[in-house]
Parts: sequence; C-alpha cells; structure tokens
Amino acid sequence: GQQLNQSPQSMFIQEGEDVSMNCTSSSIFNTWLWYKQDPGEGPVLLIALYKAGELTSNGRLTAQFGITRKDSFLNISASIPSDVGIYFCAGSRNSGNTPLVFGKGTRLSVIA
Amino acid sequence: DTGVSQDPRHKITKRGQNVTFRCDPISEHNRLYWYRQTLGQGPEFLTYFQNEAQLEKSRLLSDRFSAERPKGSFSTLEIQRTEQGDSAMYLCASSLATAHNYGYTFGSGTRLTVV
Repeated sequence: GQQLNQSPQSMFIQEGEDVSMNCTSSSIFNTWLWYKQDPGEGPVLLIALYKAGELTSNGRLTAQFGITRKDSFLNISASIPSDVGIYFCAGSRNSGNTPLVFGKGTRLSVIA
Repeated sequence: DTGVSQDPRHKITKRGQNVTFRCDPISEHNRLYWYRQTLGQGPEFLTYFQNEAQLEKSRLLSDRFSAERPKGSFSTLEIQRTEQGDSAMYLCASSLATAHNYGYTFGSGTRLTVV
C-alpha cells in the first residue's frame, strides 16, 4: 500500500538535544498527524494539523503543516529518555475521520 | 472506558489454519478501523466501519480476510487459510465520525505469527 516518505529512518541523540524529522508526499493532504509508538503497543496521537502553514505545539513537541500541503515536520526539544520510540507521520486527503496513510516511521534512540 | 481493547494480544498459528481477532472500541465511538503493521513499516489500512456498515476495504484485504461489526459495537477480523505473509501486528482503532480528522485511538494490537 501507499506510504508517506519519512526521514530520517533512525536517529541516535544525546539527552537534552533537539530532534527534527519530516514527512513528504507526492500528493496533497488535508490533514497531517503525528503518532508515537512504543514497543508492543499501538500508536498514540501526539499532534494533529489541519491547515497549510499551521504550527502546533504539545509540550516539547512542535509540528508544522507544510505550505505546499505535501509535507509536515515534527520537532522535539530538549529530548529525554522517555522520548525513545518510533514516530509516525500520517495523512488524510479527506475531511472527517477517514482512513490514514502512514509513513514508515523514524526510530528515535536517546543516549543518557 | 479504558480505551480500545484487542484480543488476543498474541496468536501463533500453523499455516492453513483460520484465526479470528476481536476488537472492542471506545463505547461512544461509531467508527472502527482495522490496520495491519509489519516489521519496520507503518500501519496500513485494511477496512473501516461506521456503526455496522463497512464503508471501505483496502486492496490489501484479500478474499481470505473478512471483517464484521454486526451490532455496531465490537468487531471481528477473520483470516482464513493463513499464510506466512499474514504474520503482522493487526491494529484496531476507533473514533467518532466528525468533520475534522482528529485522529483515532488505537488498541495495543494483536500480533499474529504464522508458522
């Protein structure tokens, strides 16, 4: 099935560092979402974005809906050990809670 | 309500056997989704329901797969004549049908291993 292009695939960072990851698509999306998944669990929603150019924060996390509507970015500031996990972007071309297309994920490891 | 529940959490089956998974959504949610996730990949959409109506099925959902939500509450996903390629995490999620795509609540998944 179709998936979004997410980069980087993995990151190793020192505790306290900032992290950036992004997601791109060849087609326009109306909604961008960012999820985090811990081992053996389902994804948990972090941030939802609905308008081109929108910048939304959730604690140390900030995400942006790209102006072209074909990309999105997630930043994590001052990383801590519990940030470890896999981060997925997801997009929807339709309004309402319709099926999502997911990226392949960015695996984040934090070195204390 | 403690969220979306999936049962079983793990299932090991021999190739050729049939398996059935159950999902109990958040009680007030009228939409229920099934996704499949293989190692190193993001979740891939399989199918979704609004109440008891199955609104969309992905091309990934071969004729060996069938999903039901008979009373608009819990749902089952059955895989007949399992193949090794069916080994994956099967995720269920639920939401309300709203104007915005605010994202779903996922369950912890059922991990299927076909040997």
